[in-house]
Amino acid sequence: SQKIEQNSEALNIQEGKTATLTCNYTNYSPAYLQWYRQDPGRGPVFLLLIRENEKEKRKERLKVTFDTTLKQSLFHITASQPADSATYLCALDMGTGFQKLVFGTGTRLLVSP
Amino acid sequence: GAVVSQHPSRVICKSGTSVKIECRSLDFQATTMFWYRQFPKQSLMLMATSNEGSKATYEQGVEKDKFLINHASLTLSTLTVTSAHPEDSSFYICSARTDNTEAFFGQGTRLTVV
Repeated sequence: SQKIEQNSEALNIQEGKTATLTCNYTNYSPAYLQWYRQDPGRGPVFLLLIRENEKEKRKERLKVTFDTTLKQSLFHITASQPADSATYLCALDMGTGFQKLVFGTGTRLLVSP
Repeated sequence: GAVVSQHPSRVICKSGTSVKIECRSLDFQATTMFWYRQFPKQSLMLMATSNEGSKATYEQGVEKDKFLINHASLTLSTLTVTSAHPEDSSFYICSARTDNTEAFFGQGTRLTVV
């Protein structure tokens, strides 16, 4: 069966440390993988997109890796801040003609001062 | 980035009544919009894909007669929860994509059926 799994437990880290979130999938062949941030009671907000032929993507303090062999993406937040506390969702995009995104279970990140 | 506006943000209705939720793309035309449902501490579950000028495509297990979707223009899609029951209480979110890249989400609607 098709599955997208993220760390089910909340991730607690201290301010200034690097947070690493994992997204694993099975029985999918995504053309793109996207990461979103969701705050309580709000819709998700886009953060980064990485294509299947890209190994790594960076944007300010964020870094995403994509390993299509392992079927895994890692999402890193360096120099984390309490304002980074939120739920982070990975989403698979099958590419042209499909349009719809399939979301993972999400990981809640808590950054303590 | 593009803006998707969703209304209302919260609604409480009586069991058996219908509720309409609007989703508008404010600064772009969206030929396709998506409706999701999210239960507490769970991920977004796609309910249906809304196509402008044609019938929506529903995901398996979603009752199309209960969740009516209308996409009358390139900037507006509506979701009507008909004959709502307490088990329909949830967080409903719409989104739109301009191309095969990022999705823009509405603020979400918290529906409570009493």
